[in-house]
Amino acid sequence: KAGVTQTPRYLIKTRGQQVTLSCSPISGHRSVSWYQQTPGQGLQFLFEYFSETQRNKGNFPGRFSGRQFSNSRSEMNVSTLELGDSALYLCASSVGSGNTEAFFGQGTRLTVV
Amino acid sequence: QQQVKQSPQSLIVQKGGISIINCAYENTAFDYFPWYQQFPGKGPALLIAIRPDVSEKKEGRFTISFNKSAKQFSLHIMDSQPGDSATYFCAASRGDQGGKLIFGQGTELSVKP
Repeated sequence: KAGVTQTPRYLIKTRGQQVTLSCSPISGHRSVSWYQQTPGQGLQFLFEYFSETQRNKGNFPGRFSGRQFSNSRSEMNVSTLELGDSALYLCASSVGSGNTEAFFGQGTRLTVV
Repeated sequence: QQQVKQSPQSLIVQKGGISIINCAYENTAFDYFPWYQQFPGKGPALLIAIRPDVSEKKEGRFTISFNKSAKQFSLHIMDSQPGDSATYFCAASRGDQGGKLIFGQGTELSVKP
């Protein structure tokens, strides 16, 4: 069974640009959550999608957005990139909408220059 | 109230020894407590998880001890091996917030041969 797939693995963007990251969950999983990981702030929850609906949102500015498609694949978008957005962005998938086992992808390393 | 505090920040253990990492939480609504292991360049991997109705859970060399009254839980790694050298994260979530995980700051474990 394939794991969580995130693309691309690495990305370099310039301040002010926007970026879209993609996440394909484990087959049969309907919930996708996104996290930002930085050395200073650790792992922070961005948002969660279940059945194409955003169920929960963390404390991030509106520049961070996401969506989920009918096949459970998810994308997150960051607009007007800032240097501080440089981080590892992780996607986790789980079977249902409750607090159950969550499996992470390898992440997308975003560098903003 | 949403924080999870993890200690120590770093830990050095001799091969064959016991590694112990501790976490504490404030929010009594948390009802799911997983531990993740992360190697450099990889996403976090789910190790073991516990719910508050159980005081201990063991899987191979990994044991979670849970103290509901003290609002603390810990990970014990028995017979620690150099291959266990990684960063470990505790986390907590609550059923009414779906897949949102609140993570501790992480513990960098180094097992010396």
